[in-house]
Amino acid sequence: EAQVTQNPRYLITVTGKKLTVTCSQNMNHEYMSWYRQDPGLGLRQIYYSMNVEVTDKGDVPEGYKVSRKEKRNFPLILESPSPNQTSLYFCASSVPPGLAGNEQFFGPGTRLTVL
Amino acid sequence: GENVEQHPSTLSVQEGDSAVIKCTYSDSASNYFPWYKQELGKGPQLIIDIRSNVGEKKDQRIAVTLNKTAKHFSLHITETQPEDSAVYFCAASNAGGSYIPTFGRGTSLIVHP
Repeated sequence: EAQVTQNPRYLITVTGKKLTVTCSQNMNHEYMSWYRQDPGLGLRQIYYSMNVEVTDKGDVPEGYKVSRKEKRNFPLILESPSPNQTSLYFCASSVPPGLAGNEQFFGPGTRLTVL
Repeated sequence: GENVEQHPSTLSVQEGDSAVIKCTYSDSASNYFPWYKQELGKGPQLIIDIRSNVGEKKDQRIAVTLNKTAKHFSLHITETQPEDSAVYFCAASNAGGSYIPTFGRGTSLIVHP
């Protein structure tokens, strides 16, 4: 089954404790992204990657890191989480943009609470 | 950069009624306009999309219209059913150029039985 998986699905942590949220896709997509979803703000892009070893900042990259060492994986790293990073996070993947558009395939989400 | 405005933020309808959600965008280079449906506890999922070379697209009870001149596009759901209750997001991107899609803030649609 074609899918994007994220782990963990739920995480409660404390300020300053480094954490990693993993994301994996099995559709051989070149493009991968991370979004955060907050009430009233919709989906905002944190980072995206166009291929292995190619990453770039989205709209709200502060406080986050990413890496793309393999095509299928795109982990999101919070080196020193703060309470304002409490949010619902989604990973997404897609083919490169082109005439067919670039439908995003989203994972199930990770709900993060930073105390 | 692109800016996408979405209205209304909440929409409540009776089963069988129609629902319309509207979005405007700012970047005339945008040419791909998808709509996503997010059910409770799940990630958004594409339900319909439209490219700038067409003005309307239909898929059963769902239709999307695009007015390039006015830079707005709309989602129309006819004969709504309780299972249509969800959060709907519009987005805009330049599918032939910059990859980054810009999303609207979402519309919470509630269909009352």
